[in-house]
This record gives sequence, structure tokens and C-alpha cells, in this order.
Amino acid sequence: QVTLRESGPALVRPTQTLTLTCTFSGFSLRSSGMCVSWIRQPPGKALEWLALIDWDEDTYYRTSLKTRLTISKDTSKNQLLLTMTNVDPEDTGTYYCARTTSSTGFYDFWGQGILVTVSS
Amino acid sequence: SYVLTQPPSVSVAPGQTASITCGGDDIGSTSVHWYQQKPGQAPVLVVYKDSDRPSGIPERFSGSDSENMATLTISGVEAGDEADYYCQVWDYSSDPRYVFGSGTKLTVL
Repeated sequence: QVTLRESGPALVRPTQTLTLTCTFSGFSLRSSGMCVSWIRQPPGKALEWLALIDWDEDTYYRTSLKTRLTISKDTSKNQLLLTMTNVDPEDTGTYYCARTTSSTGFYDFWGQGILVTVSS
Repeated sequence: SYVLTQPPSVSVAPGQTASITCGGDDIGSTSVHWYQQKPGQAPVLVVYKDSDRPSGIPERFSGSDSENMATLTISGVEAGDEADYYCQVWDYSSDPRYVFGSGTKLTVL
């Protein structure tokens, strides 16, 4: 059974660094073709793809946020990390991690999401 | 960047058929995926690769596409289908690589 679960702070101050963790089970990020992404959703708005890491540790980012994002994985712990520097109130939203593969292009399993508020 | 356009809202009476469109330049040449998102919940994949259904998704959900438009069709709409629906494509040569539509709120009257 595939599961993903996000964890991290609910409140972050502007200009601080946000670090989110995705803990997953039921699959391995060592398996060829396996990928996990971070996707966010501002309140009342659409989904927005942020970043992806694949089984080979290749990483891909939304260009407009690339300088602020870092995605990494700890395969031994079945965890994925996302750090976002210099956060702004516009970064407020629900952050999801979700699984895909390099050949399919769709997200078949999602975490429940974590709401992050950026406010002073 | 690639843009996917959806109508903000669609309303349908129970038992009727709902059609939710997703417009994009030459969208027919790529695979389109659809997600259902109920309030306070994570998205759920309901159609992938234009018209395939994951296990557990009712046959009432179907997908199709043409040159510049993809469509999610829900037949025999039920109250429990009320949700936001998002289309999504993947293009490794675009930025961003994964694009979501603007979302459509389906209201069951």
C-alpha cells in the first residue's frame, strides 16, 4: 500500500527558510523510473507544480522558483525534503508530495497535504 | 509557458451528464490526466492518459480529447461528485514540466 505524508511547520515568518518532509512507504525511490514531486495550492487557487526528484537523484524545478527551492531525498529513511528560502506571504498554501514515474506523467498517489502559513 | 484553460464552474442536476473541458494548444498531441479534489482533501486521479481509469474509479468517469480540447465526462452525476476538477499534462520540454489547469468547480444542483 502506497502512502505519503507531509510534515513541517504550520507557520513560518517572512524571509525565513521553510523545510518540509515527505515520508513515504509502499515503494522505493531507488526503483528505476520512480519520482516524487512537491505541488502546492494557495488557498482557493489551483494546483502549482514546484519540483521533482527521480530515482537517479536528478532534480527539476519550476523555473520561477528555482533559486529558492531545493529538493532532496534520504532513501534510507524513505523521506523527501523540500527547502524554500526567503519565504513570502504569497508562499502560503497547502503543500503536497505526490508520486509519479518517468514514463507516465501523472500523479497516482498523493499525501494529505500540509497547510503552511507565512505571516509575521 | 504552457497554459491549460478550464471553465471556472459547471452545474448539473443529479442523474445528468457533466462535461468539463480543458483547452490547450495542440493538447490532443499529449496525454491529459484528470484529478478530483473535494474540500479539505488531496487530489485524486480519476482519469489518466486521456481516457483510462484507475482501479476503483467508477465507469461514470470518462475522458476524451481532440486537437485543442480535452474533456472529462461524468455520466449519471451524483451528489458525491461535487468537487473541483483539474486537468494536467506533462511535457518534459516545457517549463514547468508539469502543468495543471485552472480548475473547475462542479456543482450538483
